[in-house]
Parts: sequence; C-alpha cells; structure tokens
Amino acid sequence: AQSVSQHNHHVILSEAASLELGCNYSYGGTVNLFWYVQYPGQHLQLLLKYFSGDPLVKGIKGFEAEFIKSKFSFNLRKPSVQWSDTAEYFCAVSTSGTYKYIFGTGTRLKVLA
Amino acid sequence: GAVVSQHPSRVICKSGTSVKIECRSLDFQATTMFWYRQFPKQSLMLMATSNEGSKATYEQGVEKDKFLINHASLTLSTLTVTSAHPEDSSFYICSAKMRGSSPLHFGNGTRLTVT
Repeated sequence: AQSVSQHNHHVILSEAASLELGCNYSYGGTVNLFWYVQYPGQHLQLLLKYFSGDPLVKGIKGFEAEFIKSKFSFNLRKPSVQWSDTAEYFCAVSTSGTYKYIFGTGTRLKVLA
Repeated sequence: GAVVSQHPSRVICKSGTSVKIECRSLDFQATTMFWYRQFPKQSLMLMATSNEGSKATYEQGVEKDKFLINHASLTLSTLTVTSAHPEDSSFYICSAKMRGSSPLHFGNGTRLTVT
C-alpha cells in the first residue's frame, strides 16, 4: 500500500533560520507530489506541486521542494522562515492516473519571533 | 479562484441523530470530490471519493451505510453521518478537484461532536 512519511512532527525555529521538512513516500510508479499548508484556523492550502519536469519546484511564499526519485523524497525547503510561516505542513502523494491523495501525518512548525 | 465552501463549520448533535455536511465548489466545476476525516494529531484519512452523478467509492473500513455521500451536481457533494455515535466525533474535511491532473482544493472542515 502507498504511504507517506513525514519524519519531523514538530519543528521550532527562530526567524531567519532555514527550514527543511522531510517527506518520503512508498510507491514504485509515477507519482504527483504536493505540499499543503494549514495556518491556524484556516483550511488546507496548496504550497506547491510536482507533476513532471524540473524536479526543483518553486511554490508560493518562498517555499521550494525537490523531488529526488531515487530516494522517494520530496523535501520542502525555505531559506529564511518568518513568524507568519507558523503552521502545519502536509506532504501528499497521488499516483498518476488516479486522484486519490495520500497524506503524511503533518509537521507542525513554530517560528519564534 | 478555486474556492471550496464547507458547511457547517461546527455541529453538535445527540447520539442517534443524523448530520448532513455540505461541500460546494464556488467558482469551478468539481468532477471529483473527496471526503477526509482527521483525528487529533493524525493525518487526513480518505473516507471516500465521489464523482458527479455516480455512486461514491469508499475506502476500506469506512461504512457506506453510515457515511452517505451524494454528489448530485458538479458543485455540490454532501456527507450524511447517519445514527451518529460519540466515536463519530471528528473533523471532516471535503476537497474538490477539476477534471484532469489538478490539485485538490479544500474546504474549511466541519467539527462534529456527538454527545
């Protein structure tokens, strides 16, 4: 069965620190990859997505993610976090041809001002 | 664009009653809608997939007679929790997508509490 692992459950950073959140998935075929963010009290919002092409994907608010097929990974990065990045981040995978998304357990990020 | 409205945001009901949750795509046609359930400190668990005009496809372990899903139009899907029990208390989230390989767009979720 397909699964998505996010190894960091809670991350606390100071403003201006760099961020990297890990995401690994288990599926041998073609995948579509996503990062969603959920700010406190708000709904899930798409940060960025990868379908094909350049494995380095740039999203909104300065976030980027790199798809490394050999490692089954899609880690999220931001060079300098802000207090407003405090939120929960979810990695999701859907297999090409289906529309079912499998989500990771989420990483709760807290950025200290 | 791509706004999904979910209603109600919170509902409290008594055990044994039924609750209906609505999910609407406001500015796009949602050929497929998904219903998720989220337990505290856990990930979103897919309950079912519904395509407009056809029966929903339920994930393993999800009781289709308990969680009735209707997707009567391209902009509306409903989830009815029938004969609710306290263990059904949870956060239910709907999402919708357009035709083809497009990302999901999420509603704000519904916090259901069954007393």
